Amino acid sequence: DAGVIQSPRHEVTEMGQEVTLRCKPISGHDYLFWYRQTMMRGLELLIYFNNNVPIDDSGMPEDRFSAKMPNASFSTLKIQPSEPRDSAVYFCASRREYTQYFGPGTRLTVL
Amino acid sequence: AQRVTQPEKLLSVFKGAPVELKCNYSYSGSPELFWYVQYSRQRLQLLLRHISRESIKGFTADLNKGETSFHLKKPFAQEEDSAMYYCALSRGSTLGRLYFGRGTQLTVWP
Repeated sequence: DAGVIQSPRHEVTEMGQEVTLRCKPISGHDYLFWYRQTMMRGLELLIYFNNNVPIDDSGMPEDRFSAKMPNASFSTLKIQPSEPRDSAVYFCASRREYTQYFGPGTRLTVL
Repeated sequence: AQRVTQPEKLLSVFKGAPVELKCNYSYSGSPELFWYVQYSRQRLQLLLRHISRESIKGFTADLNKGETSFHLKKPFAQEEDSAMYYCALSRGSTLGRLYFGRGTQLTVWP
């Protein structure tokens, strides 16, 4: 089992460009979470889904951020337009019962 | 509202010394508390859960409801314990999301 899969692992883009991060949760998990990790703010929950339905998106910083989960095996986090302050590591996690399983993260750098 | 506080951003100890990573929480209900660990270049992973009352890699954590704390302890630290440790809380049976602390970076010197 490869666990939670995220792509790309690294992304470098220029300010104003659209960025799409992808996540494949572990099969059978009914919750999916998107987090952002920075030195200043630590680990922040952006949004989470239950059975593909967004439950809480109060952590999404602004309208530039959007997330979708079209089916149980795929989710995207999109930033449009990107800004330098969006530079961070973005984690996806999925959950069954009480344990969250994290992906390896996508390190985003916005120049 | 619920909150998880890890007062130490950085913690350094020597190998063989005891280590305690502090975690305090605020929540009026019955929380479930967790410790997650992130080793260098690895994924964040569950270390232990208070309900399990188990020892993982020599670490233990006891939920103290009176002091609203869930400190992580190990009597003899090892170099391989160096990592980022996050304390997290979920709101009892309605697991939903986890509320994470800011994390403590533990360094164990040889």
